[in-house]
Amino acid sequence: DTAVSQTPKYLVTQMGNDKSIKCEQNLGHDTMYWYKQDSKKFLKIMFSYNNKELIINETVPNRFSPKSPDKAHLNLHINSLELGDSAVYFCASSQDPRPGEQYFGPGTRLTVT
Amino acid sequence: AQSVTQLDSHVSVSEGTPVLLRCNYSSSYSPSLFWYVQHPNKGLQLLLKYTSAATLVKGINGFEAEFKKSETSFHLTKPSAHMSDAAEYFCVVSDQWTALIFGKGTTLSLSS
Repeated sequence: DTAVSQTPKYLVTQMGNDKSIKCEQNLGHDTMYWYKQDSKKFLKIMFSYNNKELIINETVPNRFSPKSPDKAHLNLHINSLELGDSAVYFCASSQDPRPGEQYFGPGTRLTVT
Repeated sequence: AQSVTQLDSHVSVSEGTPVLLRCNYSSSYSPSLFWYVQHPNKGLQLLLKYTSAATLVKGINGFEAEFKKSETSFHLTKPSAHMSDAAEYFCVVSDQWTALIFGKGTTLSLSS
């Protein structure tokens, strides 16, 4: 069974469109995250949710909006896509808010043309 | 603020020789440190973690890391490299809000 899954794996879209990436974890974890990996492979935290509540919101454009319908899901919606949004987006989860190991999904490669 | 610096962007070794990937950290409190590995076109996998227990940490696939507070280092080692170890390695520190702060990565290349 896949612990952290993301859909879609690849997403190609045009500038100005709105798109969503879905993430689900079946580990029973309380905390979920979104990370962005740029073309130089640098990874940076975007958001973190604990029990459906936002606890980390880094300096991300407000075109990005996370949504957590329940603690097993954390979706990422992106409005008005720009070329610079092209990246690989990783979802992750962990057991609780204290520092610990995180389990990552396989990533979603977003290409904006 | 917490940060990590990976001192080498690219390391090349021959199969069967030792691996050393270097990482220095900066933290305003006792840090939690991790090494993650990313194989090509794959997600990230935890190799090992340090959370203020033993300073020598053993991980999966024969990797180890030693936490040295005096040197603010957390270098990753393996006695004998295998072709399957070729990947991107990230040194990571956890901030107080649990987000992982990644280094810029070290690409490990293997030759037979």
